[in-house]
Parts: sequence; C-alpha cells; structure tokens
Amino acid sequence: NAGVTQTPKFRILKIGQSMTLQCAQDMNHNYMYWYRQDPGMGLKLIYYSVGAGITDKGEVPNGYNVSRSTTEDFPLRLELAAPSQTSVYFCASSTGNTIYFGEGSWLTVV
Amino acid sequence: GQQVMQIPQYQHVQEGEDFTTYCNSSTTLSNIQWYKQRPGGHPVFLIQLVKSGEVKKQKRLTFQFGEAKKNSSLHITATQTTDVGTYFCAGLGGYQKVTFGTGTKLQVIP
Repeated sequence: NAGVTQTPKFRILKIGQSMTLQCAQDMNHNYMYWYRQDPGMGLKLIYYSVGAGITDKGEVPNGYNVSRSTTEDFPLRLELAAPSQTSVYFCASSTGNTIYFGEGSWLTVV
Repeated sequence: GQQVMQIPQYQHVQEGEDFTTYCNSSTTLSNIQWYKQRPGGHPVFLIQLVKSGEVKKQKRLTFQFGEAKKNSSLHITATQTTDVGTYFCAGLGGYQKVTFGTGTKLQVIP
C-alpha cells in the first residue's frame, strides 16, 4: 500500500497560471480531503468528498476546484494562481476514523 | 460554521516537564481525534475519542474527551525531545467534515 500519494511535491507558479495538484489513495477510502497549511499555522479545509461523484466546500474553497470521478483520485485545481495561495497543500483520506495524510505539496506563487 | 480552538498556541518546556494542550469546539462533536506533526512533516494520527468523558492513555500521553463532547485535552508526562512538534485536535462534524484545531507547537529544551 502506497497510502496517499501527492504530486508534485514542489512547484513554483506565476501569478495567473493554473495547475492541478494530483492526489491518489489505494486504501479504498470513501472520504477524501484537501487542506492547506500556511507557514506556522493550522490546517484549513478547502474541499472534501464523501464518495465518488460527491464533493463539498470546506472553510476556504475560493480559488480552487475539485472533482472526484473515481474513489482513488481527488485532484485539486488552482485557477488563476494568486500569491495568497502560497502554502503547503495536504491531501488526505479516511475510512471515517483515522485520517491518512499525503506528504504534502509545497506551492509558491510569485 | 464549526470552529475548533486550541490553547496554548506555543509552549516551551524543559525536558522532563509536563505539557498540556486544550481543545475547544464551538459545537458538539461526534468524536475527536489527535494528530502530531513533526517540523516539515505531515500530520500523523495519534488517537480517537468517541464517548463522553472518555480517557485514553498511550505511554506518557493521556487524552481526555469532555462530558459535553465539546472539549478535549492532551497531557504529556515528562516530555522528551522526541515529543517536539505541533499537536492538533480534529473534530468530526456532520457529513464527515473534519475540522482541525489551530494547533499547539511544543518545543522541548534539552
């Protein structure tokens, strides 16, 4: 089991560019999440999904989009990147109990 | 929406001293989980509490869930340098929406 795999690990993006952070889990978990963590701060929920085809907004969804076409994949799309989106992004999955996190994607918008 | 606050935000202790972090939710929780994040790493699950008034121990760590299921605490006895990191509580609300607390960063001075 690879667990939760995120790509890329590091990325520098220019203002106004778009990109997709990939997330895949091989544990057959129904629940998946995207969090962002600004330096020295806590985790803020961007979007989450309770199953394929179902997504919902978290605390800070503006500027992001997600899709969940399969149980395994939960990509996060950044449209028109802004400096305020510089952060570490964590994808996670859960059975409803323990949450398993990916290793994070460090994104800098310049 | 649901808010989960933790205090203190930072704590520096001498090695061997005890440490406690407190977690308070604005709403009643189905359960509460605790995670540890080492510097530069991703959050790792420690424990889940489900029942009102529940107390669980893991070696030097003691976790409590409040009677009203709106607060929780983590107590570490005789801290060690390996305890360094940020400790997060996470509350499960409706529809599997997991909200993380603001975190307590623990620094242990040898």
